[in-house]
Amino acid sequence: DTAVSQTPKYLVTQMGNDKSIKCEQNLGHDTMYWYKQDSKKFLKIMFSYNNKELIINETVPNRFSPKSPDKAHLNLHINSLELGDSAVYFCASSPAAFKGGEINTEAFFGQGTRLTVV
Amino acid sequence: AQSVTQLGSHVSVSEGALVLLRCNYSSSVPPYLFWYVQYPNQGLQLLLKYTSAATLVKGINGFEAEFKKSETSFHLTKPSAHMSDAAEYFCAVFQPGKLIFGQGTTLQVKP
Repeated sequence: DTAVSQTPKYLVTQMGNDKSIKCEQNLGHDTMYWYKQDSKKFLKIMFSYNNKELIINETVPNRFSPKSPDKAHLNLHINSLELGDSAVYFCASSPAAFKGGEINTEAFFGQGTRLTVV
Repeated sequence: AQSVTQLGSHVSVSEGALVLLRCNYSSSVPPYLFWYVQYPNQGLQLLLKYTSAATLVKGINGFEAEFKKSETSFHLTKPSAHMSDAAEYFCAVFQPGKLIFGQGTTLQVKP
């Protein structure tokens, strides 16, 4: 049983296209995230959701639109893809990050989606 | 705001040698600190986390880390490196709503 699962694992697309990445967690967690890992392996937070509500948007371009239909799912839609969007995108979840504590803040990560824009 | 700095982007050790990966944190409040490992083409796996109950934290695969408030450090160690330890290691600190990651350290293990 995969705790945090993302689909697809690989995504190759042309500039200007629109694409979506899906994420589901079966851990019963309240908090979900999207992270971007660039070519230098640097990990940066993009969005944080708590119980389906957007809490953090780290100055991500409007072309990126997360959607959380329920607290177990957090999908990422990207419009008008650009070459610079090529990266690995990770979904993650935490029990209840906004309550604090080493248990609540521990994040569990998906396997990542490698997006290549050509 | 909290932050972490990992010293050394690349560490190379021989199999059986001590592994030491350095992480310093900056935080105005007691931090929640974590070490994650990323194997090639995989997601991040939690190695260990700092619990305020103990300054020496033991994790999976024989790794441990010691929280030193006086030095604002949370270095990761393993007494004897194994070839399977070759991976990318990330130190992270929790800030409300997100984990802030260090730049990562690539661990190379030579036979």
